[in-house]
Amino acid sequence: AQTVTQSQPEMSVQEAETVTLSCTYDTSESDYYLFWYKQPPSRQMILVIRQEAYKQQNATENRFSVNFQKAAKSFSLKISDSQLGDAAMYFCAYQSGGGADGLTFGKGTHLIIQP
Amino acid sequence: NAGVTQTPKFQVLKTGQSMTLQCAQDMNHNSMYWYRQDPGMGLRLIYYSASEGTTDKGEVPNGYNVSRLNKREFSLRLESAAPSQTSVYFCASSHRLAGVGEQFFGPGTRLTVL
Repeated sequence: AQTVTQSQPEMSVQEAETVTLSCTYDTSESDYYLFWYKQPPSRQMILVIRQEAYKQQNATENRFSVNFQKAAKSFSLKISDSQLGDAAMYFCAYQSGGGADGLTFGKGTHLIIQP
Repeated sequence: NAGVTQTPKFQVLKTGQSMTLQCAQDMNHNSMYWYRQDPGMGLRLIYYSASEGTTDKGEVPNGYNVSRLNKREFSLRLESAAPSQTSVYFCASSHRLAGVGEQFFGPGTRLTVL
């Protein structure tokens, strides 16, 4: 079974600064997908960014980018120019490449933005 | 386009009572999922339905049953609620049959079992 580990229960960053959230995963599969989801206090789950394991290029979405290290099984999220609206829980998630299996989530990182 | 809707938003049950959580999606997605989220935990998969007419167990299926009523609807039933089932329940859907498919989540149902 796959596991996802987020070792930072809480992170704090000053507004406009850059912060990196860590995620490692364990799998024996070669075909898989990785995601970062944001959960604000409203508890709505919002997709931030996704990465296909077969792609070497790191995914980027505006101020959000990932550092995908396949050999190290590491998938960190970098948020640049942090904004107050980025304050939320962030979850790293794994999905197998075959079939329609669900997501395996880490326990999350609570991101605090200091004004 | 409502996306994924869940009813009810909140529910309080007594131990031993039964209830069904409803989920519907209007995105013509093939796959649907039920997760639970407990404090300090990420979401954990209860059951999923890869396509209409099929259902499969996830990580934590004990105490739950599901029904894929049609392509749009996927319900979760608690036959005899227990305090350990106090949680927030999320339904999600995806177009995915193979390959990557973003999962779209409903707003969640907060369930308390006394």
